[in-house]
Amino acid sequence: EPEVTQTPSHQVTQMGQEVILRCVPISNHLYFYWYRQILGQKVEFLVSFYNNEISEKSEIFDDQFSVERPDGSNFTLKIRSTKLEDSAMYFCASSGKEAHTEAFFGQGTRLTVV
Amino acid sequence: AQSVSQHNHHVILSEAASLELGCNYSYGGTVNLFWYVQYPGQHLQLLLKYFSGDPLVKGIKGFEAEFIKSKFSFNLRKPSVQWSDTAEYFCAVNAASNYQLIWGAGTKLIIKP
Repeated sequence: EPEVTQTPSHQVTQMGQEVILRCVPISNHLYFYWYRQILGQKVEFLVSFYNNEISEKSEIFDDQFSVERPDGSNFTLKIRSTKLEDSAMYFCASSGKEAHTEAFFGQGTRLTVV
Repeated sequence: AQSVSQHNHHVILSEAASLELGCNYSYGGTVNLFWYVQYPGQHLQLLLKYFSGDPLVKGIKGFEAEFIKSKFSFNLRKPSVQWSDTAEYFCAVNAASNYQLIWGAGTKLIIKP
């Protein structure tokens, strides 16, 4: 069964450092998403991406965040200068021909900023 | 702003008990509704979804949910739970006009064998 894969599963970084979280969506999917879940809080939407551009983003997704689909298979989330409050589980998801069909999620990357 | 409320953060049941997990949302327009499940150590998986049509939706593993528009609710049910249903269950909503899923806080379900 096709699945979304995320790497690494866990990343520890120092405050102020840049991190790149990587995702390989399901191959024929067209819509890509990043969500995050801070420990003990709700899952929060960060950004959606379609046709090589951001289609929607939340207030959380400020200038320190960026997304890219560099090679047609990977979908990355970059955090330029990490803060302690960026520590969270980050989930990548993808969906098929229509944005509102089922989103398939990866297992997540746990980011710890120290 | 849209929001999703799940009434129970933790539920403990014995095997064969019936399950109902509550989910209410706040949004006045057309919505798509989802229940996702996360088994221990695994990724989020879709249990069932409602876009339109019959408000009683059947999903995988014997789960079903009923959309009651007048109550802004989408409660998840299963008549007889199994130990393997131990997981965290998330209700999520998106407005038909945008992409993002708005999530409830999740309900941790523990089934005692």
